[in-house]
Amino acid sequence: DQQVKQNSPSLSVQEGRISILNCDYTNSMFDYFLWYKKYPAEGPTFLISISSIKDKNEDGRFTVFLNKSAKHLSLHIVPSQPGDSAVYFCAASAQGGSEKLVFGKGMKLTVNP
Amino acid sequence: DTAVSQTPKYLVTQMGNDKSIKCEQNLGHDTMYWYKQDSKKFLKIMFSYNNKELIINETVPNRFSPKSPDKAHLNLHINSLELGDSAVYFCASSQRHFNQPQHFGDGTRLSIL
Repeated sequence: DQQVKQNSPSLSVQEGRISILNCDYTNSMFDYFLWYKKYPAEGPTFLISISSIKDKNEDGRFTVFLNKSAKHLSLHIVPSQPGDSAVYFCAASAQGGSEKLVFGKGMKLTVNP
Repeated sequence: DTAVSQTPKYLVTQMGNDKSIKCEQNLGHDTMYWYKQDSKKFLKIMFSYNNKELIINETVPNRFSPKSPDKAHLNLHINSLELGDSAVYFCASSQRHFNQPQHFGDGTRLSIL
């Protein structure tokens, strides 16, 4: 029972364009959402997060949008850079507790020069 | 100045052996975690300790025993290793306040022969 789903396994974009990574969740108790980036042979690196009281959070080139009614969030990267090529994980936790994160399967982003 | 470090990075061993993975964090966090990433690439939480006290214990065989000598260290001992234990194990840490992200180590790839 996947509570956090990243249905597209991969995405390829051109450098300078926008990358949009999507994530769906099923547990309505989730109220804190995070995106992690992972390079091969390294651990996941925290990228950006959003609380359920917001619908948008922005940090430089990265913006996360949350649509609670659709149980959907997305990560926008603008402009995309070759160094953004990595696997991106969506994660969620319930009731304000960041202890128990539930991760999606990950999505491989390739940014072509 | 590694924030979350785990050793060893690679571990190859025979079925039936006992092995340990060590984790240390220098971020001053009070909560540490062990995650398992299996062959399907899902990251799933196994254990969490807050100030040396076990707070999350997912459905994990009791062959897995975490030990936290202090809040900066969380080790994972595995008895009687089985083929299905082959995976990448990630340690993470966070500060147990509302909505604080977890920071991950680079993982230990365990291969059972």
